[in-house]
Amino acid sequence: QVQLVESGGGVVQPGRSLRLSCAASGFTFSRYGMHWVRQAPGKGLEWVAVISYDGSKKHYGDSVKGRSTISRDNSKNTLYLQMNSLRAEDTAVYYCAKDRDSYSDYWGQGTLVTVSS
Amino acid sequence: QSALTQPASVSGSPGQSITISCTGTSSDIGAYNYVSWYQQLPGKAPKVMIYEVSNRPSGVSNRFSGSKSGNTASLTISGLQAEDEADYYCSSYTTSVVFGGGTKLTVL
Repeated sequence: QVQLVESGGGVVQPGRSLRLSCAASGFTFSRYGMHWVRQAPGKGLEWVAVISYDGSKKHYGDSVKGRSTISRDNSKNTLYLQMNSLRAEDTAVYYCAKDRDSYSDYWGQGTLVTVSS
Repeated sequence: QSALTQPASVSGSPGQSITISCTGTSSDIGAYNYVSWYQQLPGKAPKVMIYEVSNRPSGVSNRFSGSKSGNTASLTISGLQAEDEADYYCSSYTTSVVFGGGTKLTVL
């Protein structure tokens, strides 16, 4: 069965960096695009970024553009999100999700990032 | 891209039907049939309930249905059950992705 397991969250000070990981299993990871989506406490879903199946195409949401980098290692079945210059408003649960071109069919359980001094 | 517009809350009694609307623009909802709906139970990850406007993934109850007219998509839940109480999000997938603000469904 498809499993997506996020890790790397935690408490980080404003201005610092953090790298999130998403370990995928149960499907051929290298054939699918992948998304990061976040959800601030008590708020709605916010799309963060998407990467194509081979890593050649990447798109970012306006709130993280220029501060974050999405990447993947298909040999390790792992998706990454490098976040720099973190702000309080980046505090959220970060989900990775498998792409089906027009929607996301599987989501991980999320990892919490808290930006606080 | 601006978020899609959903009502903050809807409610209904068991057995009734409810409809949640999702309004976008001619650049997202109006342009493509790439509207999807997600159910999020408290403390859980989102789960896709409808994709490409009106398609149900395997395992999703046929009480859930979707439609679209112009720049507005809709999710209808018929035969409301207590277990349907959750937050629901619409989404439009193009080169980027935009979500609605979410609708809290309360089953009275």
